[in-house]
Amino acid sequence: QVTLKESGPVLVKPTETLTLTCTVSGFSLSNARMGVSWIRQPPGKALEWLAHIFSNDEKSYSTSLKSRLTISKDTSKSQVVLTMTNMDPVDTATYYCARTAGGGSGPYYFDYWGQGTLVTVSS
Amino acid sequence: QSALTQPASVSGSPGQSITISCTGTSSDVGSYNLVSWYQQHPGKAPKLMIYEVSKRPSGVSNRFSGSKSGNTASLTISGLQAEDEADYYCCSYAGPRFLVFGGGTKLTVL
Repeated sequence: QVTLKESGPVLVKPTETLTLTCTVSGFSLSNARMGVSWIRQPPGKALEWLAHIFSNDEKSYSTSLKSRLTISKDTSKSQVVLTMTNMDPVDTATYYCARTAGGGSGPYYFDYWGQGTLVTVSS
Repeated sequence: QSALTQPASVSGSPGQSITISCTGTSSDVGSYNLVSWYQQHPGKAPKLMIYEVSKRPSGVSNRFSGSKSGNTASLTISGLQAEDEADYYCCSYAGPRFLVFGGGTKLTVL
C-alpha cells in the first residue's frame, strides 16, 4: 500500500524559510521508475507543480520558483524534503507531495498523493 | 511555462456526458502524449483519473475517458453521476523535466 504524508510547520513568518518533509511507504525512493514531486495549491486556486526528485537524485524545479526551492531525499528514511526560502503571504497554500511516474526522463504524472499540509505565511 | 487553459466551469445533468478541454501549446500538450487528469473533491487531495492522454488507472470508472487533438486534450465523463461533481485539473509534460497544470474546471452536476 503506497502512502505519502507531509509534515512541517502550519505557520511561518514572512522572509522565513519553510521546510517540509514527505514520508513515504509502500515504495522505495530508489525505484528507477518513480520519483517524488511537490505540488501546492493556494486556497481556492489551482494546482502548481514545484519540484521533482528522481531516484538517481537528479532534480528539476519550476522555472518561476527555482531560485527559492531545494528538494532532497534520504532514501534510508524514505523521506523527501522541500525547502522554500524567503516565504511571503502569497505562498500560503496547501502543499502536497506525490509519487511521480516517469523514470529518468520524467516527471510525467502523479499516481499517489499525500493528504496535503496547509502552510500559512503571516506575521 | 504558462498554465494550460481550461474552462472555469462546466455542468451537466445526471446521465449526460460532458467534456472538459485543456488547451496548451506545441511545447507541451502538442508535443507529448503525457497529459494527465486529476479529480479533486473539496478538502481532499487530487486523484489521478487519466494518464498518458487516455489510460485509466486501476479502479477508475470507464465512464472517464481522455483524448487529444493537436494542442488540446479533453476529458469526457459519460453517464454523469452526482459523485462526479468536483474540480478537475489537467497536467502536461512540458519537457525537459517540467510539468504544467491547467487552471482547473469546476464540474457541477445539476
